[in-house]
Amino acid sequence: DTGVSQDPRHKITKRGQNVTFRCDPISEHNRLYWYRQTLGQGPEFLTYFQNEAQLEKSRLLSDRFSAERPKGSFSTLEIQRTEQGDSAMYLCASSLVPGPQETQYFGPGTRLLVL
Amino acid sequence: AQKVTQAQTEISVVEKEDVTLDCVYETRDTTYYLFWYKQPPSGELVFLIRRNSFDEQNEISGRYSWNFQKSTSSFNFTITASQVVDSAVYFCALRSQGAQKLVFGQGTRLTINP
Repeated sequence: DTGVSQDPRHKITKRGQNVTFRCDPISEHNRLYWYRQTLGQGPEFLTYFQNEAQLEKSRLLSDRFSAERPKGSFSTLEIQRTEQGDSAMYLCASSLVPGPQETQYFGPGTRLLVL
Repeated sequence: AQKVTQAQTEISVVEKEDVTLDCVYETRDTTYYLFWYKQPPSGELVFLIRRNSFDEQNEISGRYSWNFQKSTSSFNFTITASQVVDSAVYFCALRSQGAQKLVFGQGTRLTINP
């Protein structure tokens, strides 16, 4: 079983630039989640999809952030006009629902540094 | 509101020692789920265990064991005979029934010295 994959693994950008990250979930998983993790902290929820529908967004997801999952498979997370405060690890997770033991499985993350 | 507290920021022990990582949670929900994840230096969060609120049985998996106590809202994790490969950051997380997101603690950085 192929796990969750994310691309790129690392991204360095200059303030004000746009960046886009991709997440490929475990095949057949219908839920996909995005989290953000800053240094020394636990991951914080950003948003999640069930199939192609975005069902919940955190207050952390400002209007500079947009996420899509157009065909219910892979997802993209775009950050426009990046700020230094956006520097973090962006983690993607997927799960299968319904299921008696629903568990989110995480990818390796994309580490973003905004200069 | 839901909250997870991992009071131990860092723990350092010598190989083969036993070590316990503490996790205390807060929720008003009667049905909820607790998780432990391991984050090695590579960054990927590795799922270790899930426990349902209605199942208070403790669990053992090899050198790992988990002690769930609803009376104290704790879900502690013990590694027996620790090994250098156990070095990582460990996160405890909570999800309430009906909610989709995981609420994580701040993590405990565990270092096992040879």
